[in-house]
Amino acid sequence: DAGITQSPRHKVTETGTPVTLRCHQTENHRYMYWYRQDPGHGLRLIHYSYGVKDTDKGEVSDGYSVSRSKTEDFLLTLESATSSQTSVYFCAISESTSTDTQYFGPGTRLTVL
Amino acid sequence: RKEVEQDPGPFNVPEGATVAFNCTYSNSASQSFFWYRQDCRKEPKLLMSVYSSGNEDGRFTAQLNRASQYISLLIRDSKLSDSATYLCVVNGRGGSYIPTFGRGTSLIVHP
Repeated sequence: DAGITQSPRHKVTETGTPVTLRCHQTENHRYMYWYRQDPGHGLRLIHYSYGVKDTDKGEVSDGYSVSRSKTEDFLLTLESATSSQTSVYFCAISESTSTDTQYFGPGTRLTVL
Repeated sequence: RKEVEQDPGPFNVPEGATVAFNCTYSNSASQSFFWYRQDCRKEPKLLMSVYSSGNEDGRFTAQLNRASQYISLLIRDSKLSDSATYLCVVNGRGGSYIPTFGRGTSLIVHP
């Protein structure tokens, strides 16, 4: 299995609080991605990164920001969590080209009350 | 039309059956295609890549039809352990790898 960890694995928070999720990889892969998965919607891309300090928006980026200061870490921040952001969040990595497969972390289950 | 579409199922089949899933995509410039498997409450894992010439891995066969813009997955001799959700993935936009996932097809294999 690819070396990808996510922390925390579970989190319950209240509306309006900031939340940061961390994705850490030991594979030295160039690309990193954040997805959310919800019933009826499947996996939707939030943000992705193609290198240190290089990030771009996905299809559902509103309310989320990301940072990548090191190759191995990709952080997802919810500045002010809302109940609509209750979801399972997956981080993924891919090596270096557009044909590379993605490897996923174990996911973070976030509940916003 | 959604970029990547799959029949959500569920497909209920007995052990030993052959089952096939299709996935249609809208972007004719798409370059790479994959099938992933996702077990309940787990992360997606790569099942197989899909090549223009088609590819086979044991009981699993994947094919690409560029003219009709769909990919398929065939599972022969289904096992109980094949029960899962199968996701198709297409890189969504030419020149930039932004993968797009289908919503998945649920497969239930029963004794």
